Amino acid sequence: AQSVTQPDIHITVSEGASLELRCNYSYGATPYLFWYVQSPGQGLQLLLKYFSGDTLVQGIKGFEAEFKRSQSSFNLRKPSVHWSDAAEYFCAHLPEYGNKLVFGAGTILRVKS
Amino acid sequence: EAQVTQNPRYLITVTGKKLTVTCSQNMNHEYMSWYRQDPGLGLRQIYYSMNVEVTDKGDVPEGYKVSRKEKRNFPLILESPSPNQTSLYFCASSLTGRNEQFFGPGTRLTVL
Repeated sequence: AQSVTQPDIHITVSEGASLELRCNYSYGATPYLFWYVQSPGQGLQLLLKYFSGDTLVQGIKGFEAEFKRSQSSFNLRKPSVHWSDAAEYFCAHLPEYGNKLVFGAGTILRVKS
Repeated sequence: EAQVTQNPRYLITVTGKKLTVTCSQNMNHEYMSWYRQDPGLGLRQIYYSMNVEVTDKGDVPEGYKVSRKEKRNFPLILESPSPNQTSLYFCASSLTGRNEQFFGPGTRLTVL
């Protein structure tokens, strides 16, 4: 069965430091991949998506992600974190055949000043 | 404004009292879906709908019902809620089942 693994439940970074959130998916050669962010008390907002083409994807709020097929990974990065980036981040995977979006368990980002 | 709306946003109820959570989208999307979010489990799909009158089970459908009589609406029905259905519920929609999904603000349900 398809699955998405976000190995880090919590991550704490200093404001201004770089950030990388890890995501691995288990199924599909050419998946659709997404990163969503959930601020406290809010719904989910799409940060970026990968369908095909360039494996480095730019998103909103200065985030980017890189798709690595050989590692089945789609890690999210930001060069300099702001306090407003504190939130929970979800990686999601849609396999090449099917329409069921599968989410990882989420990573809670804390930003310290 | 393009959006997915849910009502109510917060609901406290008692075991066995039927309830409905409404979901509506104004983007003319074909696909709609319901998820529940529980700590440490991420979002799990309850039901989804590819189009009007077409619905199917997700990963955790037990204890829930849905209907899709109109394209814009996709209500979630709990006919006999139980405490293990206490959760945060999200409705989402997308153009088809193969596009990014847009999420509603969530409904926090507590079943006593």
